[in-house]
Amino acid sequence: AQTVTQSQPEMSVQEAETVTLSCTYDTSESDYYLFWYKQPPSRQMILVIRQEAYKQQNATENRFSVNFQKAAKSFSLKISDSQLGDAAMYFCAYRTSTGTASKLTFGTGTRLQVTL
Amino acid sequence: DTGVSQDPRHKITKRGQNVTFRCDPISEHNRLYWYRQTLGQGPEFLTYFQNEAQLEKSRLLSDRFSAERPKGSFSTLEIQRTEQGDSAMYLCASSFSGFTYNEQFFGPGTRLTVL
Repeated sequence: AQTVTQSQPEMSVQEAETVTLSCTYDTSESDYYLFWYKQPPSRQMILVIRQEAYKQQNATENRFSVNFQKAAKSFSLKISDSQLGDAAMYFCAYRTSTGTASKLTFGTGTRLQVTL
Repeated sequence: DTGVSQDPRHKITKRGQNVTFRCDPISEHNRLYWYRQTLGQGPEFLTYFQNEAQLEKSRLLSDRFSAERPKGSFSTLEIQRTEQGDSAMYLCASSFSGFTYNEQFFGPGTRLTVL
């Protein structure tokens, strides 16, 4: 079974600075998808960024980018120019790309605080 | 379309009672998922449907839990004889299997408190 580990329960960053959230995973599969989801307080979870395992190029979405290291099974999220609205729980998630299996396996999350 | 909706948003019940939650997915989405999220944890998969067929169930889904999606649109999740350990946020998500990423869109959740 696949597992996802987020070793940073909490992180803090000053507004306009850059922060990196860590995620590692364990799988025996060669093709899969990885995601970062954001869950603001009392609000629903939204997708921040996604990565296909067969793509070597790291995904980028505006201020959000990932560092995908397939051999190391590492998938970190970098937030540049942090804003107050970035404060939330961030979850790393894994999904297989084979068959009809479609569930997401989540890590335990990292709570990001953004300070002035 | 305003996204995935869930009803109720909050439910407080006494131990031993039955509860039912409803999820309305994004209209063109054929897949619907249920997850459970306890405090300080990430969501854990419970079950998912493609159209009206229930394709996968987690071992977390004990025999007190039942989910349905009778017409391939909305879904219900029923918990019978609730226990205090059932207290959690129950999240619903939907997706369209025809898209490459099969991205899942989440609803706001139903927070269950069992007294």
